[in-house]
Amino acid sequence: QITLKESGPTLVKPTQTLTLTCIFSGFSLRTDEVGVGWIRQPPEKALEWLALIYWDNDKRYSPSLKSRLTITKDTSKNQVVLTMTNMDPLDTATYYCAHRRGGTSWADYWGQGTLVTVSS
Amino acid sequence: QSALTQPPSASGSPGQSVTISCTGTSSDVGGYNYVSWYQHHPGKAPKLLLYEVTKRPSGVPDRFSGSKSGNTASLTVSGLQAEDEADYYCSSYAGSNNLGVFGTGTKVTVL
Repeated sequence: QITLKESGPTLVKPTQTLTLTCIFSGFSLRTDEVGVGWIRQPPEKALEWLALIYWDNDKRYSPSLKSRLTITKDTSKNQVVLTMTNMDPLDTATYYCAHRRGGTSWADYWGQGTLVTVSS
Repeated sequence: QSALTQPPSASGSPGQSVTISCTGTSSDVGGYNYVSWYQHHPGKAPKLLLYEVTKRPSGVPDRFSGSKSGNTASLTVSGLQAEDEADYYCSSYAGSNNLGVFGTGTKVTVL
């Protein structure tokens, strides 16, 4: 059974750096074609892919946010970490991590999400 | 990349069918057969319902079906049940320089 769970701060101040951790089970990032990504949803707005990392350490980023994002993996801990710099109130959103296979465009398993509010 | 357009809401009585549209462009929905649909009960993890327009992952009832015509994809939920009351999102591949684009979401109410 594949599960993913996001963790991180619920509140960050503007200009700070956000660090989110996704802990997963039921699969390994050592396995070919396996990837883990981050998706967010601001209140009343659409979902948005942020970043993806694959088993071979191939990393993909949203073009509009690339300069602010870093995605890394710790295969031994079954963890993926996303950092986003220079947080702004517009970054207030629910952040999800998800399992995605290489060569596909869909997320076949998701975490429940974690709400991050950016406010001073 | 702009979000795909979905109606904000849809509704139907138990046993009826409801169809949700998802409109994009030739750069996403119309250009590829890589439309997926998700069901989201607030507070829970979103669930993949369909991928590659019409394919259902194991365990998804055949009450959920998909189609596509031109730049618009559709999700039909047949035989509506109370547990189908949720938010539904479409998504599409949008080219190799893009991680994918989601729809604006549709809240389905079972009357």
